[in-house]
Amino acid sequence: AQTVTQSQPEMSVQEAETVTLSCTYDTSESDYYLFWYKQPPSRQMILVIRQEAYKQQNATENRFSVNFQKAAKSFSLKISDSQLGDAAMYFCAVQGAQKLVFGQGTRLTINP
Amino acid sequence: EADIYQTPRYLVIGTGKKITLECSQTMGHDKMYWYQQDPGMELHLIHYSYGVNSTEKGDLSSESTVSRIRTEHFPLTLESARPSHTSQYLCASRQGGGSHTEAFFGQGTRLTVV
Repeated sequence: AQTVTQSQPEMSVQEAETVTLSCTYDTSESDYYLFWYKQPPSRQMILVIRQEAYKQQNATENRFSVNFQKAAKSFSLKISDSQLGDAAMYFCAVQGAQKLVFGQGTRLTINP
Repeated sequence: EADIYQTPRYLVIGTGKKITLECSQTMGHDKMYWYQQDPGMELHLIHYSYGVNSTEKGDLSSESTVSRIRTEHFPLTLESARPSHTSQYLCASRQGGGSHTEAFFGQGTRLTVV
């Protein structure tokens, strides 16, 4: 079974500041990946960043980075230098061999 | 832009009608998924498929059914629509071969049952 929990329904940040979105997960699979996806208003869901569970090194994609704590089953997303275009719903997800399961989502607002 | 398409984008239909939501992808992906998403809320996995003629129910119980006769096509059917089925339905696909592959999403079908 796979479960994902995002405990922050809404977050807001000032433009150019840094924000961290939290995520915890559970899975019975030994081979899995973790993802953060972004869903802008009225637009398609897109990938932000992915992390292989076997890698200790945290993934980074430009202004986006993760803090992966495997023992704690924690996978947070840090957005640096927040921009107005970062405003969206952010979903944490765990993916095994077959299933892709998402958390409840966090709505991120960027204040100019 | 991802090559995965959902039709219709919006549908308003009366109670009791049979409906089919279409999802097609041109990427040759083995795995396909249907999610139900209420506005601003989490995605619930309702069906998934890991190849032709293989379908599984997801974590959220749903009265809908799916089929996977062709790799590129994964339609979802409601035999008798009810107001409780009002929601957004998202289709996704990804390449098989491991848990690392990125999922691509359609634009969604917003269904309203009156």
